[in-house]
Parts: sequence; structure tokens; C-alpha cells
Amino acid sequence: DSGVTQTPKHLITATGQRVTLRCSPRSGDLSVYWYQQSLDQGLQFLIQYYNGEERAKGNILERFSAQQFPDLHSELNLSSLELGDSALYFCASSVGGTGGLYEQFFGPGTRLTVL
Amino acid sequence: DQQVKQNSPSLSVQEGRISILNCDYTNSMFDYFLWYKKYPAEGPTFLISISSIKDKNEDGRFTVFLNKSAKHLSLHIVPSQPGDSAVYFCAANRRGSTLGRLYFGRGTQLTVWP
Repeated sequence: DSGVTQTPKHLITATGQRVTLRCSPRSGDLSVYWYQQSLDQGLQFLIQYYNGEERAKGNILERFSAQQFPDLHSELNLSSLELGDSALYFCASSVGGTGGLYEQFFGPGTRLTVL
Repeated sequence: DQQVKQNSPSLSVQEGRISILNCDYTNSMFDYFLWYKKYPAEGPTFLISISSIKDKNEDGRFTVFLNKSAKHLSLHIVPSQPGDSAVYFCAANRRGSTLGRLYFGRGTQLTVWP
């Protein structure tokens, strides 16, 4: 158990819908990352937050948005869903947000299926 | 643009033998490299890392080798055990960067058979 929790574990929805994925980081971790893993792909970085502030954006679509709340949990909002959005979405957390200095701990992921 | 590449999607090895997983990168700014292991229905877990100031790092049965001139790293598992069967991801970033994001390869499915 990494200490990072993600809900829900599975989500099945229809095209055009909107969903919210939730992540609670490990206690004490200030940085949260979201990654997307599509079929046969590596983990693609979406967005990073550090202590409530957006730190970096990766290949995140405009239909997607995220935030980190004062209690440090984070939510990833996906709207106008398309079939191609079906993927595993992982949240990771680390104590700090600096590269190479802090281990990232991953949650178990949310599997999103868009029908 | 895939900056970290794992060209072998799968590897099958007999128990007790050596498993060698390979990874290549294209970004010369990367100076910190990690291997993550992932079981089905779980998130990736950190396995071992190496900084570019080293060319080798060992942790028990796991050794990572880094060849900076070739922009290549490899993970050796000796001896391989059935419990090592998992997907292994290579990842990289730039140490000290304010951006803590990791760049991942697509993963290699390792199967260790008895």
C-alpha cells in the first residue's frame, strides 16, 4: 500500500459525459501528479500541483482540468468524454516537487471506460 | 514524442536466470533514471534509481547500468524469480528541476517461468 488513494477504482460512462477522479496523497506529501496510461502506452504526464498551486502541465487536453484543494487532495475533471479517453488514470504524490530528489508514490489508478 | 523508449514489449525468462530489461532515452538533459514495477490492478512501485554521476547501482538482486554516451540503461535481475513477473517501466527526469514530472517508457512485460 503506497498510501495514495484514488476513487473510484472503475468508472464506466458514455461519450459526452463528465467525470471526476479523486486522489488523496500520502500524509505529508505536498505534490500531486496525474498520469494517463492508454492501451500499450507508457504513463503520460498530465499535470502537477504543489501545495495547491499548479506547477506544470503536460499533454493535458483542454477538456480536462484539475485542482488541488487546501487539504491537498486533488481532483481530475474530464468532460465531453470521447472513446479515446478510455485509459488508466494514476495519481502520484511526493513530499516535494523537485525532480530527482523525491520519490513519487503511485495510487492504484482509476480505470475509465467510455462507451 | 517518446523521450524514453523501451523497445521490447515483453521478455520471458526461466526462474534462476538473469533478466535484462533495456531502456533508451533521447533527451540529453535527463540525469536521473528510475525503474518502476507494476503488478496488475496496482499502481507502479519504485524499484531502483541511478544518477548520471554513476554508471551502476545495485540493490539486492537488482542492478541498473547506465551508459550515458549511448543514452542507454538496463535493469538486471539476478536470479529471476516468478514473483518478479510484472510490467517494468523505465522513467527519467532532470534532477533539481522544479518540474518533478517523470518521463516514462511504454513498459516491458517480464514473465519468469519455473
